[in-house]
This record gives sequence, C-alpha cells and structure tokens, in this order.
Amino acid sequence: DQQVKQNSPSLSVQEGRISILNCDYTNSMFDYFLWYKKYPAEGPTFLISISSIKDKNEDGRFTVFLNKSAKHLSLHIVPSQPGDSAVYFCAASTPTQGGSEKLVFGKGTKLTVNP
Amino acid sequence: DVKVTQSSRYLVKRTGEKVFLECVQDMDHENMFWYRQDPGLGLRLIYFSYDVKMKEKGDIPEGYSVSREKKERFSLILESASTNQTSMYLCASSLFGLVSYEQYFGPGTRLTVT
Repeated sequence: DQQVKQNSPSLSVQEGRISILNCDYTNSMFDYFLWYKKYPAEGPTFLISISSIKDKNEDGRFTVFLNKSAKHLSLHIVPSQPGDSAVYFCAASTPTQGGSEKLVFGKGTKLTVNP
Repeated sequence: DVKVTQSSRYLVKRTGEKVFLECVQDMDHENMFWYRQDPGLGLRLIYFSYDVKMKEKGDIPEGYSVSREKKERFSLILESASTNQTSMYLCASSLFGLVSYEQYFGPGTRLTVT
C-alpha cells in the first residue's frame, strides 16, 4: 500500500522552462511534506518542505504547492537548469510507535533538463 | 556542517556471508535510519533507531538486523547475504522533535552480493 505516489517516473524539460513534479498521498494524517533531490552515486539532499497549515512555500527557484483537499503537492522549478537534472523524491512525515517520526518516500521522478 | 558518513562506498560480498554496514553521524542526532534504494522502488525504510539501543522495524526488515550501541553510530547487519539484497544502502539521521523532520543522508553504499 503506497501512501506517497509519484506517478511520473521521468520528466524532460528544456533549459529555462518550468519543471513541475507531482506527488499524491493517501494518508490525511500526514502533516509535513519534503522534497529531496538525488544525484547518481550520492545521498539525497533536502530541497524544500511545507507544513500542512500552508499551501505554498518558496525558496529561490523552487516552490512547493500543497492542496490538502486533493491530497496533492507539486514542486515547481523556474527556470530549470541543466544542473537540476536529478531524481526528485517526495516524502511525508508520520509518527512512529516509539513517539518519534519517520519519512515515507515516493518512488521518485527523474528530471532531465536539456540545454 | 552536518555530516553522515558510511564505511564503504562500494562493497562486494558472497551469498551467505554476514555483512556489516556502518554509519556515523556527527550532529548529535537522536534518530538514525537505514534505507535501501532500488530502481523503480524509491527509498524503502529497513530499520530505524530513535535512541541508543532502541530500534523499530521499517517497511522491509526481513533479512536485516541493526545495532546502536552509541548515539553517533548505527550499524546495519545482513545476517546471511542473498543476491536479492544487492542494492544501494543509504543511512540518514535527524534531530528528534525537529519541526521540519529533515533527514540528513550519507553518500550511500553500493552492495553487490554474488
């Protein structure tokens, strides 16, 4: 049962255009969402996050939008650059039995930005 | 600057061997995690620990065990390696109670079991 879904395995855009990566979730108890970027042979790095009390968070070229009623979030990259080519993972935070918290990840979307 | 290190970048082991993957973080984080990443399957949580000697199973714990004797070190153990455990293994850590829930990842260990 996949609680965080990234339905597009890959996305290709031209340099300078907008990249939109989508993520859907099923658990309405999720209250915090994160996007990670991963280059080959490296660990994922945190990109941007959003709390469920917000519907938008912006950091430079990166903006995350959250639509709670649709259980959908998206990451916008404007303008896209070749260095943005990577796998992007959507993640949601959920509590654990021990009172801590863990992340549930989607399967990732491979973004290719063509020069 | 935060840092999570993993003992090996690449590892080749034979079927049936006992394999130890080590992870060390220098951020005094309470939480530590082990994931595996496989093509088309994303990041799947194997085990995590929220304190020394405390652990919880993740989504795919079968065939693995963990050890956390010190706060900064979290080990993943493959009791008897099998070919289906060939994967990229990623360690991460996070601060307990941090509102952002951000996890910091190590560079990964590419394990091949032959």
